[in-house]
Amino acid sequence: AQSVTQLDSQVPVFEEAPVELRCNYSSSVSVYLFWYVQYPNQGLQLLLKYLSGSTLVESINGFEAEFNKSQTSFHLRKPSVHISDTAEYFCAVRPLNTDKLIFGTGTRLQVFP
Amino acid sequence: DVKVTQSSRYLVKRTGEKVFLECVQDMDHENMFWYRQDPGLGLRLIYFSYDVKMKEKGDIPEGYSVSREKKERFSLILESASTNQTSMYLCASSRMSSYNSPLHFGNGTRLTVT
Repeated sequence: AQSVTQLDSQVPVFEEAPVELRCNYSSSVSVYLFWYVQYPNQGLQLLLKYLSGSTLVESINGFEAEFNKSQTSFHLRKPSVHISDTAEYFCAVRPLNTDKLIFGTGTRLQVFP
Repeated sequence: DVKVTQSSRYLVKRTGEKVFLECVQDMDHENMFWYRQDPGLGLRLIYFSYDVKMKEKGDIPEGYSVSREKKERFSLILESASTNQTSMYLCASSRMSSYNSPLHFGNGTRLTVT
């Protein structure tokens, strides 16, 4: 079975500060890794994904995540956040042998001016 | 651009009612999913369909059923709604796994059962 752990339910941070949202997973098979973002009153949108190749993946709005196989982690980082980054962020895994995604419990990022 | 449309944004139903949540996608995706989202619990998979008339139970199927008569439409049915089914329901679709397609989500239906 697979599971995803997001230890931080809320992360408050000031604008222009760096942020890291942590994600650890457990799986007996190889997985693909994803980060989704949910802005207020909206559905989830794909932020970035790791399928293979370079372990560092980037999004178009400045976020990046690094796949660490030995630590089974896929932490999300941004060097300088904006007010508009305020949202809930979900880490997810998809085992290679299924189409189903397993989600973590989410981290609410609150950016203050 | 992929569009996943959920027919209702908000629903209020009474205990014991039969409830239908409808979802339509316009990109010919093979896979469709129903999740429920609750604070502190994240998204939990209720049911999954990988083709017309095909379905697979997710992690929390009890109290729910689904219908997929056409490729673009996936319905979630609460046979007899209960207060513990008050939640946000999210529909999603994707291409089959060989395409490594991400999930595309609708905006959700917030269901309140009184």
